[in-house]
Amino acid sequence: DVRLVESGGHLVQPGESLTLSCAISGFSVSYHHMTWVRQVPGEGLEGVSVVFSGGGTTYADSVKDRFTISRDISKNTVFLQMNRLRVEDTALYYCARLLQIWPSPATFDIWGRGTMVTVSS
Amino acid sequence: VVLTQFPATVSVSPGERATLSCRASQNISSDLAWYQQKPGQAPRLLIYGASTRATGIPARFSGSGSGTEFTLTIRSQQSEDSAIYYCQQYKNWPPWTFGQGTKVEVK
Repeated sequence: DVRLVESGGHLVQPGESLTLSCAISGFSVSYHHMTWVRQVPGEGLEGVSVVFSGGGTTYADSVKDRFTISRDISKNTVFLQMNRLRVEDTALYYCARLLQIWPSPATFDIWGRGTMVTVSS
Repeated sequence: VVLTQFPATVSVSPGERATLSCRASQNISSDLAWYQQKPGQAPRLLIYGASTRATGIPARFSGSGSGTEFTLTIRSQQSEDSAIYYCQQYKNWPPWTFGQGTKVEVK
């Protein structure tokens, strides 16, 4: 059964750090691109970060130099380390698989249920 | 690439057809996907390649278009189709950008 389960969301103060986890079952993280997508409640979707199957990473400009995506192949888990959090980072964070449609990483075909991050003083 | 969806809201009666539009700020060929998001749920992939239905998606959902103009059509609207629908491009990345969404209401 293919499943993504996020955890780690919390209420934190501006400037603090938080690490999100995404536990994957049903496929191997080493063969797929994995992403974090966030959504402010009642608003649209924003791609935050990607870790490619080959290990490379990319980030949205809004989180570059503050967030770090990583994966543990042995645990089949993806992480998002978030530093220097801002009020505007408040959102529901989804873990999603980014499906390769030749020749590009293309569409988000499997999603978790999300974990809520609230940044507030 | 900026994606603009319209209308913001569409209201249809059960059994009617709903037509949603997505316009790209530059040519993205057919590298466009559509998602459905119901309240309290994660988005679900409906269409990729502008017109290919994802696994398990009913035939009443169809996509068309290329270049900068795209359409999602929901034939014979059902109550469970009430949701927000997003388009997403994967021609020019990063980032993979989404439209702002169209809310579909079934009367």
